[in-house]
Formats: sequence, structure tokens, C-alpha cells
Amino acid sequence: GQNIDQPTEMTATEGAIVQINCTYQTSGFNGLFWYQQHAGEAPTFLSYNVLDGLEEKGRFSSFLSRSKGYSYLLLKELQMKDSASYLCAGPSGSARQLTFGSGTQLTVLP
Amino acid sequence: DTGVSQNPRHKITKRGQNVTFRCDPISEHNRLYWYRQTLGQGPEFLTYFQNEAQLEKSRLLSDRFSAERPKGSFSTLEIQRTEQGDSAMYLCASSTQGVSQPQHFGDGTRLSIL
Repeated sequence: GQNIDQPTEMTATEGAIVQINCTYQTSGFNGLFWYQQHAGEAPTFLSYNVLDGLEEKGRFSSFLSRSKGYSYLLLKELQMKDSASYLCAGPSGSARQLTFGSGTQLTVLP
Repeated sequence: DTGVSQNPRHKITKRGQNVTFRCDPISEHNRLYWYRQTLGQGPEFLTYFQNEAQLEKSRLLSDRFSAERPKGSFSTLEIQRTEQGDSAMYLCASSTQGVSQPQHFGDGTRLSIL
């Protein structure tokens, strides 16, 4: 599996922009997923990047640099409901099981 | 649109007892995964089914753990002789074939060992 690192916690203000970073081992790269997980709920799929560059989906965008082993999730116009854990994950193996980072707990303040 | 369903949502049991969890994946998904998640951590892979065949098992899956997917639809995960360290959220996910296809997760079964 891969080593995936992301910050443990972040805090931002409602209406602001926040960038959550993720670094991973580049060997055996098969793309990178971002999931959102509210406390006590299922992780929900946000984005998948396999090529370099920025993918935009409404208020959420995800960026990938394969040469640097680096990705980020960009959240714009933050809302209180965006307070959640954001998980970076890479698929590996024939089963394409996901190796997750520990998650970044984002708190959005009023 | 029904998602991945897991039950029970919560299970409290005494150390040494056996427990069984059920997962009903999204109906057209042939891939099914079990993960375990502890507080403050990301999910950790346990095992994988493609249709009814169990094709991959993590070293986390000790011999006290067994999983089945008898007809390629729902799956069960059984833990025998539970230990304190088994306390965790057990998540099931399913997906279709394809490298870019995301896994869709259920809400999980939270296991507490007394």
C-alpha cells in the first residue's frame, strides 16, 4: 500500500476558501480519491484525479501533481455544513482497495 | 436510488462473544469491500469480493474474522471470540468495474466490546 499524509486538523471561516493538502508515494500510482465524512456517517465520494491538473466540481476542486506526489482539495465559499473529515485515498493492488490517509478534520467557524 | 446498506448500525457485546454484520451493496455493483475505521483514522482495508469470490484479504484479517458473499449479492462479516481491540466502525463499500469508479460506502456498523 501507499503512505498517504495529510494534516490532522484545519479551521476556516464561513465564506472563506480552504486548501487541504495530501502527499503520497509516487510508486504504483493509480489515481487519487477524495472523500468527505461527517461524524458517524459514511464517507462520500468527492473527486478522482489520475491526470495532472485541476478538476472543478462546483464549490469543490481537486488538484494533482504526479511528479510531486501531491494533491489538494480546494473548498470555496465555505458553509457550516462543510465541517467534516476529508479523506485522501489511493487505490492499489488487483482489488483496487483504498489506502486512506488519517483524514483532515475541517471546522468551519461562523 | 438505494445506497449501500449495513446492519446493525450499532452492536454492543461482551468480550469473547461472536458477532455478525451484514452488508447489502448497490445492486449492480460486483465489487464489495470491507474496511475497519477507528476514531481519528481513515478506513483500513480488510477484504474484497468480486461477485461471490473473495479475492483479497488484508493481514489485519486474523483467523477470528471470516467474510462471505454467497450469491454475489449481500455479504456478511463474522468476528469470533471478540476482543477489546475489535472495537471499531466496520464499513462496507461497493463499486462497479473500472479503474476510475469510486467506492460507495455504507454508514457502517459500530462495534463496542465490553
